[in-house]
Amino acid sequence: NAGVTQTPKFRILKIGQSMTLQCTQDMNHNYMYWYRQDPGMGLKLIYYSVGAGITDKGEVPNGYNVSRSTTEDFPLRLELAAPSQTSVYFCASSQTGEGTGNTIYFGEGSWLTVV
Amino acid sequence: DAKTTQPPSMDCAEGRAANLPCNHSTISGNEYVYWYRQIHSQGPQYIIHGLKNNETNEMASLIITEDRKSSTLILPHATLRDTAVYYCIVSRRGKLIFGQGTELSVKP
Repeated sequence: NAGVTQTPKFRILKIGQSMTLQCTQDMNHNYMYWYRQDPGMGLKLIYYSVGAGITDKGEVPNGYNVSRSTTEDFPLRLELAAPSQTSVYFCASSQTGEGTGNTIYFGEGSWLTVV
Repeated sequence: DAKTTQPPSMDCAEGRAANLPCNHSTISGNEYVYWYRQIHSQGPQYIIHGLKNNETNEMASLIITEDRKSSTLILPHATLRDTAVYYCIVSRRGKLIFGQGTELSVKP
């Protein structure tokens, strides 16, 4: 049981390049999330998904796209990288549990620098 | 989702109890209170959560006031390894919106 796995761990992008951050979980969780964390700041929710085929915007979705074709995978795509997207990105997952409360498990993070 | 307010930083002596407060005055009846912590730049780690009653697990205790407008996370015997940023989050349906958190420094 690996939990939440993110790749790559580190990446440097040039302005205007595109890339996909991969995230997979092996806990059969319905909910998955992408957060970003700028230096010295808290986490900001980018996108989340409540199940395969369903995604929704979080607090800071501009400049990103997501898809959820399977329960396990929730990739985050940056189409035209900008310096403002330099950040640490965390993927997370949780079991469904509306009204019951549930724990969110985080990956180790992906450090992205746009130059 | 309800907003939370936490002090930006706190100190605690090693071996003493650390009491971290959180205000969530706009909390709704079905919203849970969650506590997570983040050590250095690692992924946040779940500590505890509750709805109305006080909760305790192997890591901490969570005290929620009767009106549910505030809560306190208690680390009973803080160690140097508990130095981290602690986030109090109020959420429904599992969607967590993080605030700035409290930076706890445990000192020898």
